[in-house]
Amino acid sequence: DAKTTQPPSMDCAEGRAANLPCNHSTISGNEYVYWYRQIHSQGPQYIIHGLKNNETNEMASLIITEDRKSSTLILPHATLRDTAVYYCIVDSGNTPLVFGKGTRLSVIA
Amino acid sequence: NAGVTQTPKFRILKIGQSMTLQCTQDMNHNYMYWYRQDPGMGLKLIYYSVGAGITDKGEVPNGYNVSRSTTEDFPLRLELAAPSQTSVYFCASSYPGGAKNIQYFGAGTRLSVL
Repeated sequence: DAKTTQPPSMDCAEGRAANLPCNHSTISGNEYVYWYRQIHSQGPQYIIHGLKNNETNEMASLIITEDRKSSTLILPHATLRDTAVYYCIVDSGNTPLVFGKGTRLSVIA
Repeated sequence: NAGVTQTPKFRILKIGQSMTLQCTQDMNHNYMYWYRQDPGMGLKLIYYSVGAGITDKGEVPNGYNVSRSTTEDFPLRLELAAPSQTSVYFCASSYPGGAKNIQYFGAGTRLSVL
């Protein structure tokens, strides 16, 4: 079973920031938080990952709480092309990823 | 860059037929994976491989076989197709370990068994 809890769906207005939460209260010290997304029927796409520090790349920012029990993926200016299912995954980096049901993000014009 | 390439993109099989789903990657990744995704569900791991000649079962291996004779290729074999194997199949690859375990996925093979 997935070690994370995500809301099943969220809406976001185009141009606004999309903040996707993820709870991972049983995370171990050597486990990373990974975020992937899957745009309709395509293969999942890696977005970002982190261990304990906040991370930013050209796609998104990842904010991890100090106790590491939860995190938030931030898409700073959501576009219609960001409509997808977003998966939060906790893993040590040495095993195949376990995908839950994710959050279905709908970006609305 | 090609990345992870899956063939075919679509296939319809009759019950009891066999087929091989092909997967190849050009990133020199040691690890390769096969997942299936049923409508509205998350991905489930079928088999994975940590290197040539080494394979291991995932969550849902029944009805499937794999082999890994080269680093680049990881074919998935369906021996006796059943309607329950109607799904979208994704192949992925990654480097091993730690922060490098970023999995890259192919575009998928959509299989219908009728």
